[in-house]
Amino acid sequence: RKEVEQDPGPFNVPEGATVAFNCTYSNSASQSFFWYRQDCRKEPKLLMSVYSSGNEDGRFTAQLNRASQYISLLIRDSKLSDSATYLCVVGADNFNKFYFGSGTKLNVKP
Amino acid sequence: DGGITQSPKYLFRKEGQNVTLSCEQNLNHDAMYWYRQDPGQGLRLIYYSQIVNDFQKGDIAEGYSVSREKKESFPLTVTSAQKNPTAFYLCASSLTRDATEAFFGQGTRLTVV
Repeated sequence: RKEVEQDPGPFNVPEGATVAFNCTYSNSASQSFFWYRQDCRKEPKLLMSVYSSGNEDGRFTAQLNRASQYISLLIRDSKLSDSATYLCVVGADNFNKFYFGSGTKLNVKP
Repeated sequence: DGGITQSPKYLFRKEGQNVTLSCEQNLNHDAMYWYRQDPGQGLRLIYYSQIVNDFQKGDIAEGYSVSREKKESFPLTVTSAQKNPTAFYLCASSLTRDATEAFFGQGTRLTVV
């Protein structure tokens, strides 16, 4: 079983739509959770960390559900520039390894 | 500016040759990582290091080797034993305390010709 699993998509949505991604992780002792964005042929860049209380950054909201072992990312009012692959990342319980999901591809259409 | 630098950006290798990918960081991070990404796939961990002169195998270490002689540097050698080396290689670094994120270099695209 993979450490981190994501729906690969693609999610094709019109501009202005709200879209949500989920990701599940297998290690209940995991301590840190992140969403990264990766543009085509570029390195991943941190979008936001995910905290137990949930957190919001503009149009982006991340939630963590430890009981069910999943994290989510909600994007409101999608922009063309949001088109990218979104990677779910989980840090090991001793902070020395990160596990990446295979990514969810988002295409925002005009 | 602090950051993590990989070189070269593009690398071509003949079959049977070893090549070394460079990764340098000036973020004063203890941990460094090497990942491989294949088209349409996620990142897979090759090797990681938490401290100078120490490193551990990741999930796909066969055919690769690393060294960590300095805190700032974590070079990756792709040996001739790696049967399918064409891929996008990403180096990352992070602190090893608290829930801090990993920072990535811009990647090296290796092609076997």
